[in-house]
Amino acid sequence: QVQLQQWGAGLLEPSETLSLTCGVYGGSLSGYYWSWIRQPPGKGLEYIGEINPSGNTNSNPSLKSRVTTSADTSKNQFSLKLTSATAADTAVYYCARRIASLSVRAFDIWGQGTVVSVSS
Amino acid sequence: DIQMTQSPSSLSASVGDRVTITCRASQNINKYLNWYQQTPGRAPKLLIFAASSLQSGVPSRFSGSGSGTDFTLTISGLQPEDFATYYCQQSSSPLRGYTFGQGTKVEIK
Repeated sequence: QVQLQQWGAGLLEPSETLSLTCGVYGGSLSGYYWSWIRQPPGKGLEYIGEINPSGNTNSNPSLKSRVTTSADTSKNQFSLKLTSATAADTAVYYCARRIASLSVRAFDIWGQGTVVSVSS
Repeated sequence: DIQMTQSPSSLSASVGDRVTITCRASQNINKYLNWYQQTPGRAPKLLIFAASSLQSGVPSRFSGSGSGTDFTLTISGLQPEDFATYYCQQSSSPLRGYTFGQGTKVEIK
């Protein structure tokens, strides 16, 4: 049973870089994309970006200029960096595994979520 | 961007009711449509993928249908644990990003 455990700083000041990491337990990174999704307080879900073990990345066009995703296969973990944070980036951030077949692209396993607040 | 519009935004229903939630895409997404359930304070849970395929472990009272731009999620015989918020999500093009609907909150009548 694959599980995701995420961690990172929960409080940032404006202009700082948000940095989160997600560990994959009970499985490997191979064969899937590894994704980040966020949810502002009281609002819906927003896709941020993803990476596969080969280093191929995709991201939300609206966030692309600020997003960097990376993966460390030796540690079985992947990470998110979001630069120039503002209050609008305040949200619960989730890591998730995405099925990567030609006909199915769905987020089937999720981390527990990390609350990130951006405030001066 | 592909926009996803769910309706209704919220509904009230009783245990045992049949509930239908609709999701419309702003352009053709074939069957690249997934449904998730989220309860307060918890991560979303995948219910249906590829418009109509039931995720392993999900009760058979959940079903999905549709293709192209119009999709539905049906709960046949609402159970107490089904009171939650449901999201549709399109996955048509990785390069254009994946978008979620705004959510439908199912509440107890």
